[in-house]
Parts: sequence; C-alpha cells; structure tokens
Amino acid sequence: DAGITQSPRHKVTETGTPVTLRCHQTENHRYMYWYRQDPGHGLRLIHYSYGVKDTDKGEVSDGYSVSRSKTEDFLLTLESATSSQTSVYFCAISENPGRGETQYFGPGTRLLVL
Amino acid sequence: GENVEQHPSTLSVQEGDSAVIKCTYSDSASNYFPWYKQELGKGPQLIIDIRSNVGEKKDQRIAVTLNKTAKHFSLHITETQPEDSAVYFCAAGKSTFGDGTTLTVKP
Repeated sequence: DAGITQSPRHKVTETGTPVTLRCHQTENHRYMYWYRQDPGHGLRLIHYSYGVKDTDKGEVSDGYSVSRSKTEDFLLTLESATSSQTSVYFCAISENPGRGETQYFGPGTRLLVL
Repeated sequence: GENVEQHPSTLSVQEGDSAVIKCTYSDSASNYFPWYKQELGKGPQLIIDIRSNVGEKKDQRIAVTLNKTAKHFSLHITETQPEDSAVYFCAAGKSTFGDGTTLTVKP
C-alpha cells in the first residue's frame, strides 16, 4: 500500500460522538486525500490537502473537517458522528497531480456509527 | 465539475474470455484517466493509466483505449483468470471516480 497506514482499521462509535481517523505516509508525497466508499457510490472525495496546513473541500465535505500539521499525517474528524457517516474511509496520496493524478491508497478504515 | 459514468456495474465472464468496462466523462479538459483494481478488504490499486495525448496503452493482458472526441475510455482485459475477479474503478479529472464494476471470472 505504498507506505500508507490508516488508524484505526475498524471503529464502532455512537451517534453524536467525535471521531478522528488518521492517515500516515512515509513517501513524502505532497498531496493527501480522504475518500468515503459506499455501496453504489464508488469513491467520493471528502477533503484533500496540497501541503502542510493547506486543505480544500471535496464533493462530500459536510460534517467532516481535516487537519495537516505535518507532511506525513492527515487527520479526518467527524465532529459529531451520524449514522449516515457509516462507511469505509480511504486515504490516498499523490506526488504530482499536475503530471497526472496517480493516487496510492491506504488499506481503509471501516467505521460503524450506531 | 467532472462527472464519470461507468458501465456495466457487474460483469461475469468465463475464464479465458475477454472483459470490457467502459467509462464516459463530461469535462473535456480532463487529461488523465487511471484504472484501479480493488480486491476484497483492500484499497484500490492502480493497474493502468492513459493520458489524453495517447489513444491506446497496453500492459500484458490489460489495455486501455481513449476516445477524446466521444469522451469515453475503456478497460480491456484479455485471457481473464480467476484472480482478475475484483472491483474495477475508472477515474477522470481531479478525483472523480466511476461507481465501479464488479468483475467475476468463473473457472
């Protein structure tokens, strides 16, 4: 998985609680992404980062926030989890989207919100 | 923004047959079209990609074709094997993915 780890790999939480997912890379890639994957919807972009402290929203950003204080770490936070945020979350990294958008994905985090 | 449609959503073939998955995109400015394979319980992995200045690219049993005029591109897998069974995603633009195709190769 191209030097990308995600933690935790599995999490069960209750509605209304805050949740933080972590993505860690050892490739020193500039771009990092958070996606969610749901049946029938493929992969949908939540937020992405193009450098330390530089982030932008994706297609489905409502209810999520992100932070990147170091090149290697990209955090996704659900401020108050809802059942609709039950999903599999994937982190991805990319070196130089300007030369093509090849992305390398982590193993995923399966989140269940009860 | 970019919109990507992928067909079919499921595809079942006999081992040794060919499989074709098609995607269409909406933004004529898109210039990079990767294909990913996702095995059960894992993240997607790039298997082949094509840029808009190329019409076709081949890597062993896998090929991708691009028609910029019609704004569609296709993945071709020849001599399919059971280990090709997986979900395949196309992508275009910044980070827009198709909804995926579940390919099953029957031995």
